Amino acid sequence: DIQMTQSPSSLSASVGDRVTITCRASQSITGYLSWYQQKAGKAPNLLIFAASTLQSGVPSRFSGSGSGTDFTLTISRLQPEDFATYYCQQSSSIPWTFGQGTKLEIK
Amino acid sequence: QVTLRESGPALVIPTQTVTLTCTFSGFSLSTSGMCVNWIRQPPGKALEWLARVDWDDEKNYSPSLRTRLTISKDTSKNQVVLTMTNMDPVDTATYYCARTSNLIEVPPAFDFWGHGALVTVSS
Repeated sequence: DIQMTQSPSSLSASVGDRVTITCRASQSITGYLSWYQQKAGKAPNLLIFAASTLQSGVPSRFSGSGSGTDFTLTISRLQPEDFATYYCQQSSSIPWTFGQGTKLEIK
Repeated sequence: QVTLRESGPALVIPTQTVTLTCTFSGFSLSTSGMCVNWIRQPPGKALEWLARVDWDDEKNYSPSLRTRLTISKDTSKNQVVLTMTNMDPVDTATYYCARTSNLIEVPPAFDFWGHGALVTVSS
């Protein structure tokens, strides 16, 4: 299985901050990387697929980059509704696997 | 409008078999490229992909759970069913179904999710 490791596991930030979450794969997944946002008690929501393509309807303050084994999710200016848990996920090979999550909290 | 909805028992006795149903609308599993997946999330923990079934009835399973899982589709009813045998308290989780699309040169991603069904395994 491909292991996905996110860092940090938790992060405190303020409204208006720029934040970056990283995700590392245990082997190359080329661009087969997606990012999801999950709010408490809700299903995950797709933000970015193919490492850097913004899903329809997702605000442009979210961006993704990377290829191979190292990827980042950046939120350019945090809004109150962005405080949530974020997951990366690879679809390069079965079994598809997720990172352990990054909880973004209000400072 | 694409929607998915999970249904199944909220409480399962250890060693029993659970059957979960995903009922969807807004797309057809007979359309080339469409897939439905099952993913679970224990309380306070991360997401875990379990299984998927494709439009052409190809099926894939998580190797760690392969012997306990069976996924099937009923295209006429727009449903996908997951059965998991020999349930244990560690299987307590919210079980989600989610769609992926196998588009040419586009990595698949879970673009639509159900709300999830909490299954508690306890005697």
